[in-house]
Parts: sequence; structure tokens; C-alpha cells
Amino acid sequence: EDQVTQSPEALRLQEGESSSLNCSYTVSGLRGLFWYRQDPGKGPEFLFTLYSAGEEKEKERLKATLTKKESFLHITAPKPEDSATYLCAVRSNSGNTPLVFGKGTRLSVIA
Amino acid sequence: NAGVTQTPKFQVLKTGQSMTLQCAQDMNHNSMYWYRQDPGMGLRLIYYSASEGTTDKGEVPNGYNVSRLNKREFSLRLESAAPSQTSVYFCASSVAAIANYGYTFGSGTRLTVV
Repeated sequence: EDQVTQSPEALRLQEGESSSLNCSYTVSGLRGLFWYRQDPGKGPEFLFTLYSAGEEKEKERLKATLTKKESFLHITAPKPEDSATYLCAVRSNSGNTPLVFGKGTRLSVIA
Repeated sequence: NAGVTQTPKFQVLKTGQSMTLQCAQDMNHNSMYWYRQDPGMGLRLIYYSASEGTTDKGEVPNGYNVSRLNKREFSLRLESAAPSQTSVYFCASSVAAIANYGYTFGSGTRLTVV
């Protein structure tokens, strides 16, 4: 069974204080790992897809990396507008299996 | 704006009542999904439709039924609502189920069953 575990559950940072969110996964064969951002009262918004170990993707202050067992979402010099819940999801390469999501990390950036 | 539209945005039901949550996408996507999101539980898949004419159960299908009405629309029905079905429901779509594409989500339906 595919599983995704995200840590920490919640993270509070001062503005400018860089940190990383972790996503550990267990999947029979990885077709892709996805990162989403979710603001309160809204649906998740797609950020990145990573396909193979060693791959990196960047968007503004966010950089996602992937190993064979986990992914990290690095946040460099965060701003209050980066406050949100960040979700990680995996898709296995067996058939039409939909995305399996982790429970998310709730990030608060304080000015 | 193109995307996934869910109706209604909010709903309060009494135990035992029935209702249908509507979802429509205008991106010509083939696959559609229904998830529920509960505090501390994350997003859990209820049902999905890999393509028009097909539906499959997800992780938590009990108490729900779905209909893929056409390529654009995928509805979720609660036949006899229970308090345990109080949740936020998200519909999502993707270009294809087997290809490696992310999902586009709607803004959600917040359902309370009293």
C-alpha cells in the first residue's frame, strides 16, 4: 500500500528564517511525486512534480528535491505570504492508481 | 476562468437526508476525482473516474455514490447523510489517469451533517 508521511505537522518561522519540510514515501514504483500548496478555505494548488531521484525544481522561494525515499521542500527567506499548508502526494506506476496524499505541513511565517 | 467548479460551497444536512454535490470542469480533462478532507486526516479519495463511462472506488467509498454524467461533470451523492460525513469535499480533474499529470482542484464544498 502506498503511503506518504509529512513532517513536521506544523512549522512556525520568522520572516527570513529558511527551513525545510519533509515528505517520506513508500510506493511500489514511483511514477511521480507532487507538491501542492493549500490556503485556508481553498482547494490545493499545484506547485511541482518530481519524477526521479536527484531531480530538483524551483519556484520563487521554494525548491523541491527528491531522493529514493523522501522529498524535501526547501523554503528560503520565507515571507508571511508563504504561510499555507503544503501537501505532498505520490503516484505509483501500477495502473491507473490516483494520487495518495500526506496529511500536510501547516506553515506559519511571522513578520 | 477555466478550472473546476463545485456547487454548493456550503451545505447543512440533517441526518438521513440525501444530497448531490456537483462538479464540472472545462479543461477537457479525461479523469475526475472526489476527495474528502478532515482535520488530521489529510485528503482521502472517495471515488474516481479515469475516463468517461468508468468509475472506481477509492479509500473511503462507503455511504457515497458517483455518476460521471459526461466528460465535464462528475457528481457525488450521499443517499442518507450521517454525522461522520461532515467534511470538506474536493473535486479534482487531470488530463489523464495513467499519464503523469497533476490535478486541478475545485474550491471545495463544506458539508455539515447534524
